[in-house]
This record gives sequence, C-alpha cells and structure tokens, in this order.
Amino acid sequence: EVQLVESGGGLVQPGGSLRLSCAASGFIFSSYEMNWVRQAPGKGLEWLSYIISSGATIYYADSVKGRFSISRDNAKNSLYLQMHSLRAEDTAVYYCAGHGGYTYGAFEFWGRGTLVTVSS
Amino acid sequence: SYELIQPPSVSVSPGQTASITCSGDKLGDKDACWYQQKPGQSPVLVIYQDNKRPSGIPERFSGSNSGNTATLTISGTQAMDEADYYCQAWDSSTVVFGGGTRLTVL
Repeated sequence: EVQLVESGGGLVQPGGSLRLSCAASGFIFSSYEMNWVRQAPGKGLEWLSYIISSGATIYYADSVKGRFSISRDNAKNSLYLQMHSLRAEDTAVYYCAGHGGYTYGAFEFWGRGTLVTVSS
Repeated sequence: SYELIQPPSVSVSPGQTASITCSGDKLGDKDACWYQQKPGQSPVLVIYQDNKRPSGIPERFSGSNSGNTATLTISGTQAMDEADYYCQAWDSSTVVFGGGTRLTVL
C-alpha cells in the first residue's frame, strides 16, 4: 500500500523556522517526482515546490522562493521541506505529493498533511 | 503568472450530470488534471492527462480539454461525489491549481 506520512508541523513564531518530513513507503520512492503543496484554512490548494526523482532539478513557487528549500534522501525514502522566515500567511496544512512519469505531472499520491501554525 | 479559473460552486441533482470548467490561456495545449477533495481529507486524483482515469476512479468521471477550457464531467452524480474539485496544470516549471469548485448534490 502506498503511504506518504508527513511530520514536523506545529506552532512556530513569526520569523521562525521549521523542517517538514515526508516518509514514503509502498512504492519505489527513488523513481518518483515529489512536491509540496499547502492549503490554508478554508482555502484552495497552493503548490510550493517540486523535486525530480534524482534530486537534480528543483522548482519553487514565487511565494516561497528564497525562504523554503526542498530536498530528498532516496536511501531513507524521505522528502523534506526546510522553511525559514515564516509568516502568518504560511499557516496551512502541508501535503507531500508524488507522481510518476505516466500521469503527465498529475499528483497520484498524497499524504494526509501536517499542520503548520505561524503565530505569536 | 499563469492562472486557472474555476466557478466557485456548482449544484446538481442526484442522477444528473455535473460539469465543472477550468479556464486558462491555451489550456488545451497543456495536460490538465482534476482532484477531488472531501472535507478533512487529502486530495484524490480523479482525472489526469485531460481525460484518463486512475485505477479505482468510477467511470462516471470523465474529462476533456480543448482551446482555453478543461471540463470535468460527472455523469449520474451521486451524493458521495459532493466535494471540492480542483483543476491543475503545469506552466513551464511551475504547477498551477485552479481556485476550486464546490460541488453540491441536492
């Protein structure tokens, strides 16, 4: 069974940092492209970042470029999101999502999400 | 930056056909996909590459994409289809989601 399990969320003060993790199982993680997507309370989905299967190619949304950093460890079947300079508007549920080549960029696997709350 | 526009809400009677549109500049030249999200749950892919259904998605879900509009069609809509639906496409090196459409089955 495919599983993506996010962790590392919590309450953080404005200006603070947080590192999210996503543990993958049930599929060949090293063959899949991965992303981070967030959803603010009551709002829609917002894509944040992409990393290719090898880790060699990375993209970011303008809203997080320079503040967030995506990485992966294929040996540990894990995806990460390092977040700095957090703002109140970064408060959201953060999902990791994966896709293989055959879905043409559609995210076939999603985790359950981890909640990040930025507040003093 | 690229935008995908969806109607905020669509209503449909049980058993009828629901159509949800997603508009973007030359969207037909891209691969569009659709996600279903029920309250408190993660999104689920229901259509990819414009009109393909992942394994386990009922046949009543179908999609099309031409010109500037992609459409998700749910035939014989059931109460369990009540959810938020999001379209998505890639534009250069970024992923764009539509704002989402709440489908109400009444």
